[in-house]
Amino acid sequence: GAVVSQHPSWVICKSGTSVKIECRSLDFQATTMFWYRQFPKQSLMLMATSNEGSKATYEQGVEKDKFLINHASLTLSTLTVTSAHPEDSSFYICSAGQDLNTIYFGEGSWLTVV
Amino acid sequence: KQEVTQIPAALSVPEGENLVLNCSFTDSAIYNLQWFRQDPGKGLTSLLLIQSSQREQTSGRLNASLDKSSGRSTLYIAASQPGDSATYLCAVPASGTYKYIFGTGTRLKVLA
Repeated sequence: GAVVSQHPSWVICKSGTSVKIECRSLDFQATTMFWYRQFPKQSLMLMATSNEGSKATYEQGVEKDKFLINHASLTLSTLTVTSAHPEDSSFYICSAGQDLNTIYFGEGSWLTVV
Repeated sequence: KQEVTQIPAALSVPEGENLVLNCSFTDSAIYNLQWFRQDPGKGLTSLLLIQSSQREQTSGRLNASLDKSSGRSTLYIAASQPGDSATYLCAVPASGTYKYIFGTGTRLKVLA
């Protein structure tokens, strides 16, 4: 069964609103989780590293004020897309691991902003 | 900087054919390599994970090989079926980190 769970799998929101995506590690504690994004017909790109109890680390070109990441517990990281616009419509996926050889990905979340 | 490339970008074959999908990476210092499947409009499914000490992994009709020294991995699909139609992604962690670098993917279509 899945060891990293994402919710929701699909979400549609109106332009200008905020939407939250959750990433949970089910069978283990994860001090670090990762968020990726996939633009249409492109591959997955790392957005940010979510660190439990501290600020997230964002990759170059990713707006930290737009993509708020909170990692308040060892099993939950959330990604909030603030003031969403149609260009934010994308596939978002998280990953977490116990060690370098045991890294699991969530099933991903499809966001559509209308 | 690690870069991951997959060829071909797209592939269309008749049902029953055996297939080989290729993945190459520039930095051979990897801990593992994963192959994923992504169906249109759906999430990511992990197919096979090969650790750096392994040369291949098998799951059903799928076989993945890893040659670290040459920076290559192949995913072999035996007796392809229409249900195998999807995009296949390979990914490796950036050196010493949990951050994965994904390839560009191969879009496979198996015709009935």
